[in-house]
Amino acid sequence: TQLLEQSPQFLSIQEGENLTVYCNSSSVFSSLQWYRQEPGEGPVLLVTVVTGGEVKKLKRLTFQFGDARKDSSLHITAAQTGDTGLYLCAGEGEYGNKLVFGAGTILRVKS
Amino acid sequence: DSGVTQTPKHLITATGQRVTLRCSPRSGDLSVYWYQQSLDQGLQFLIQYYNGEERAKGNILERFSAQQFPDLHSELNLSSLELGDSALYFCASSPRTSGSPFSYEQYFGPGTRLTVT
Repeated sequence: TQLLEQSPQFLSIQEGENLTVYCNSSSVFSSLQWYRQEPGEGPVLLVTVVTGGEVKKLKRLTFQFGDARKDSSLHITAAQTGDTGLYLCAGEGEYGNKLVFGAGTILRVKS
Repeated sequence: DSGVTQTPKHLITATGQRVTLRCSPRSGDLSVYWYQQSLDQGLQFLIQYYNGEERAKGNILERFSAQQFPDLHSELNLSSLELGDSALYFCASSPRTSGSPFSYEQYFGPGTRLTVT
């Protein structure tokens, strides 16, 4: 069974600080996605990374896929209160089966 | 707005009862996924349908069943409800089930909050 471990589980920071969230596995994933979920709402897709070593930027968010396609990171620069939410990583299995979700990182950005 | 709709938004029912949750995918999406999200279990994959056929099963209880209709909307049926079934149930859709990494990008509905009393 492919598993994705996210760390930290919970992060509370001040507005303006930088942070990194990690998503790790012992398995190889064909692609990996990051989602953000606000309380009471469904997850919203942020990005899909496909190639080992790939880096994608979405404004203040930088996503990286590990060279071996077993891990990924999400870095947020100068966090804002609007970044508060649950961040989930999800991987597509190597043989094209369903998505596997990590448990998520709860981010709280205080003003 | 993801384009995925779910009804009802909230549902309160008693133990032992049966409920049906409904999902309409984004226009043109053939794949529908159902997830259960509770505080202590995270987002758990239940089942996937692709163009009317069951494609993958996750941690779905035998008391739960689903189907996807010819118009591609899907229903999740939960029966003999227990207190532990209280959770948020999400439906997601994606364009297809294979072919490219972006086929797995999922668009989630707003969810149905089920409370079993």
